[in-house]
Amino acid sequence: GNSVTQMEGPVTLSEEAFLTINCTYTATGYPSLFWYVQYPGEGLQLLLKATKADDKGSNKGFEATYRKETTSFHLEKGSVQVSDSAVYFCALRGEYGNKLVFGAGTILRVKS
Amino acid sequence: GAGVSQSPSNKVTEKGKDVELRCDPISGHTALYWYRQSLGQGLEFLIYFQGNSAPDKSGLPSDRFSAERTGGSVSTLTIQRTQQEDSAVYLCASSIGRGNEQFFGPGTRLTVL
Repeated sequence: GNSVTQMEGPVTLSEEAFLTINCTYTATGYPSLFWYVQYPGEGLQLLLKATKADDKGSNKGFEATYRKETTSFHLEKGSVQVSDSAVYFCALRGEYGNKLVFGAGTILRVKS
Repeated sequence: GAGVSQSPSNKVTEKGKDVELRCDPISGHTALYWYRQSLGQGLEFLIYFQGNSAPDKSGLPSDRFSAERTGGSVSTLTIQRTQQEDSAVYLCASSIGRGNEQFFGPGTRLTVL
């Protein structure tokens, strides 16, 4: 079945540091890929998405590129802020599916 | 406009009791999903409703779990004879249609004592 593996946290960075959170997936066909973010005390929000190979999703300074050859969708940000502290979830939706399959989540803590 | 709402926000119950969790999707969204977020299992899919089609129940963990969606809008997730391992945050999401962005509600935190 489909699955998502993302790096374990917590990841602790200083403000303005570069962020990478690794995500790899297993799926048949051509899934759609997503990053969701959960800020403290808030619900899950879609951060960015990519629906086909080589697509780059971007939002709020975050980027991720759909790499089919490496089955990866790593999340990056050039300069993190304290306000980026949250839990980040990588997810996929199968090519003909409806449900989202999530990774375990990565806690990001940014220190000032 | 209003987002997905869920009630109650917190529910504490005793083992063996039944609970009902409610989800109000965004108006006009035909697709509705239930997920569960727990420490041991992460975020996992439970059930999916699309319009008048038969629901996809493939994620329900046992026959103690059931859900219905009345009139294509509000949904209720029912857990019978709750167990401690049912303790989790139950999330509801809706989308305008199959394959579209899912918008999540704030969740219901269920604690089974």
